[in-house]
Amino acid sequence: DIQLTQSPSFLSASVGDRVTITCRASQGISSYLAWYQQKPGKPPKLLINAASTLQSGVPSRFSGSGSGTEFTLTISSLQPEDFATYYCQQLHNYPQYTFGQGTKLEIK
Amino acid sequence: QVQLVQSGAEVKKPGSSLKVSCQASGGTFSTYAISWVRQAPGQGLEWMGGITPIFGPASYAQKFQGRVTITADESTNTVYMEMSSLRSDDTANYYCVRVTGMNDGFDIWGQGTRVTVSS
Repeated sequence: DIQLTQSPSFLSASVGDRVTITCRASQGISSYLAWYQQKPGKPPKLLINAASTLQSGVPSRFSGSGSGTEFTLTISSLQPEDFATYYCQQLHNYPQYTFGQGTKLEIK
Repeated sequence: QVQLVQSGAEVKKPGSSLKVSCQASGGTFSTYAISWVRQAPGQGLEWMGGITPIFGPASYAQKFQGRVTITADESTNTVYMEMSSLRSDDTANYYCVRVTGMNDGFDIWGQGTRVTVSS
């Protein structure tokens, strides 16, 4: 199985900050990675697929990069609505998907 | 726009079985895959298995192999997830999700079905 490790698990930041979340895969997965945002009591929302393709309607302050084993999700200028939990997901081992453990982004 | 509508919350006894439905409205049901993801209280996301109705047999995460069965009824645009031998640690929100392609991610999520397993 492909394991995904996100870092950090918790992140405290302020509105306007630039933040980066890292996702490392236990083996190379090319660009087969997605990022999700989840707010309390809601299903996750797909933000990015194919490592860097922004979903329609997702603000451009979100961006994804990376390939192989290391990936990043960057939020260029945090907005109040961005405080949530973020998950990465590998799509390489289709259809055996796995998720990272999550990164909780909190207001400082 | 495709929507996935799941059946309602369930309370089950340990050792019993569960069947959750996920009905798709809009779009062509059988041309995309439906997966099931669960999330225990305060925990992360866990992929359980999935099916592409036109291709037939479902695939399962090893952890759920033999205890979970995913089926599809194309006549009603509904996918079902059955789980047997329920335990207290199966208490979770269960989501069905749409998958349109190998590197597309899970773009549409059902509203979730809360399952509580308790004696």
